[in-house]
Amino acid sequence: EAQVTQNPRYLITVTGKKLTVTCSQNMNHEYMSWYRQDPGLGLRQIYYSMNVEVTDKGDVPEGYKVSRKEKRNFPLILESPSPNQTSLYFCASSKNNEQFFGPGTRLTVL
Amino acid sequence: AQSVAQPEDQVNVAEGNPLTVKCTYSVSGNPYLFWYVQYPNRGLQFLLKYITGDNLVKGSYGFEAEFNKSQTSFHLKKPSALVSDSALYFCAVRDTRDDKIIFGKGTRLHILP
Repeated sequence: EAQVTQNPRYLITVTGKKLTVTCSQNMNHEYMSWYRQDPGLGLRQIYYSMNVEVTDKGDVPEGYKVSRKEKRNFPLILESPSPNQTSLYFCASSKNNEQFFGPGTRLTVL
Repeated sequence: AQSVAQPEDQVNVAEGNPLTVKCTYSVSGNPYLFWYVQYPNRGLQFLLKYITGDNLVKGSYGFEAEFNKSQTSFHLKKPSALVSDSALYFCAVRDTRDDKIIFGKGTRLHILP
């Protein structure tokens, strides 16, 4: 089944404790992206990647890192999470400009 | 800077009536325009896109949208609303100059039985 998977789905952590949210797609898509969704703010793009080893900042990249070592994986790294990064995170991959979204990761930073 | 505006936080429509969800955009380059829908507990799904060509594009679940370059708008429409259309709808634009994607803040659509 063609899909985008994210792990974990839910995470509660504390300020400053490094974490990684994984994202994987099995559709051989070149474009991948991370978003955060906050009430009243819609979805905001954090980082995107046009292909392997190519990453670019979206609108809200501060406090986040990404890597694209393989085509299928696009992990999101929070080196030192802070409470303002509490949010719902979505990974997406895209072909022909149609984005396929993962199920989301709900992150709480205490 | 590119931006997307969805001027209505919420739209209420009676079942069977036509619906419109508004979207306007601002980009420096040529816009690729999209609509996505988020159903409760079902994640985000692609509805339709405008890349080039015919200004009226048709998508999933009977939805369509009209690209209006002079008004920089891309309103989502459906001739006859269903209760099952109730969801959160997002308009998005991709600026072909840098490939960033900007989403609007979303419009919650309520279809009243």
